[in-house]
Amino acid sequence: GQQLNQSPQSMFIQEGEDVSMNCTSSSIFNTWLWYKQDPGEGPVLLIALYKAGELTSNGRLTAQFGITRKDSFLNISASIPSDVGIYFCAGPFEGGSQGNLIFGKGTKLSVKP
Amino acid sequence: EPEVTQTPSHQVTQMGQEVILRCVPISNHLYFYWYRQILGQKVEFLVSFYNNEISEKSEIFDDQFSVERPDGSNFTLKIRSTKLEDSAMYFCASSVGRRGEQFFGPGTRLTVL
Repeated sequence: GQQLNQSPQSMFIQEGEDVSMNCTSSSIFNTWLWYKQDPGEGPVLLIALYKAGELTSNGRLTAQFGITRKDSFLNISASIPSDVGIYFCAGPFEGGSQGNLIFGKGTKLSVKP
Repeated sequence: EPEVTQTPSHQVTQMGQEVILRCVPISNHLYFYWYRQILGQKVEFLVSFYNNEISEKSEIFDDQFSVERPDGSNFTLKIRSTKLEDSAMYFCASSVGRRGEQFFGPGTRLTVL
């Protein structure tokens, strides 16, 4: 079935560093969504991508929809302590008619002040 | 800014008991979803709901689960006879359109003893 593979699984970085994480699939996705989840909270939508090649920014976050439609990356520039959390990529299951999302397993980000 | 709300934030129940988890989706959204996340794992789709009926459901959503929109604002998930393995965070989400961005609530942590 469709799966989203995220890497790395976890990252430990120093405050101020840039971060890059990605998400790949063996299947084509027409939408890529990036969410952040803090402990005990619900996923918060960061960026939505709808077109192959699209590059979208949200403050210090930048995400791109891969040309092959099988991958996406998320970059965070100049990380700060509140960037700590788990970052999930997600996309609609193409076999479903209602856009039900498949999630990756997440990249856990830790930032050392 | 409008947001999805969920109650209760934490529900503890005995195995075999019925539970009802409640959600108030964003008011102009037409598509509603339930997802669950077992501790430390990825978010998994349960069911989607549109136009007062179930649109899609996953294998997890068996006969013990049901959803309802009892009025114009609430969206509920009922588990008839809880099992230990139902312990998880349950997230409600909503979107304007079928392929639109899904916004998640803060979740209900269900603990089955």
